[in-house]
Amino acid sequence: QIQLVQSGAEVEKPGAAVKVSCKASGYTFTNFGISWVRQAPGQGLEWMGWISPHNGNKNYAQKFQDRVTMTTDTSTSTAYMDLRNLRSDDTAVYYCARDSHLLRYSAAAYWGQGTLVTVSS
Amino acid sequence: EVVLTQSPGTLSLSPGGRVTLSCRASQTVTSNYIAWYQQKPGQAPRLLMYAASSRATGVSERFSGSGSGTDFTLTIVRLEPEDFAVYYCQQYGRTFTFGGGTKVEIK
Repeated sequence: QIQLVQSGAEVEKPGAAVKVSCKASGYTFTNFGISWVRQAPGQGLEWMGWISPHNGNKNYAQKFQDRVTMTTDTSTSTAYMDLRNLRSDDTAVYYCARDSHLLRYSAAAYWGQGTLVTVSS
Repeated sequence: EVVLTQSPGTLSLSPGGRVTLSCRASQTVTSNYIAWYQQKPGQAPRLLMYAASSRATGVSERFSGSGSGTDFTLTIVRLEPEDFAVYYCQQYGRTFTFGGGTKVEIK
């Protein structure tokens, strides 16, 4: 079955960076884009960006352009999200999610379990 | 950026009832690429609808979506206890954005 398994919870200090991984299984990794979505405590969903494992194309939300890098490793079917210069308001659960349709922007049919990132001094 | 506004923020309903959730876009959504998600506490979102009116795999027929252009709705009939959750709309026609969510709570 299709699974996205994310790395474990992280605690970071302000100004530091965090890298969250998302290992995919059960499908051909390069056929579907991966989005990263975060959710601050008690808040709604916020889209951060999208990457195509097929060709490396990326699309970042303007809010995160200067601080985020999304990559994929096709040899291990893993997507990564790197967020730099962390602030306290980056404290959130970070999700990876897989597109529902082949090789194009589409709704997210499969989600990772989420990774809690806490930013605190 | 396409801004999605969901209303109302919270709805209080009884099991067995019917609810219609609204999602309004600040500009026309390309190809009506609107998705709806359900999220329960402590869980990842679950895809319910895509392309405004197509039901995702395994989703009950009690859920239906409609709309075009800038106005979209999700309707749930015969509310069951497991339907009480937060619902988000998302557009994916021009990058991606989410609405602020509507909480459907038990009255």
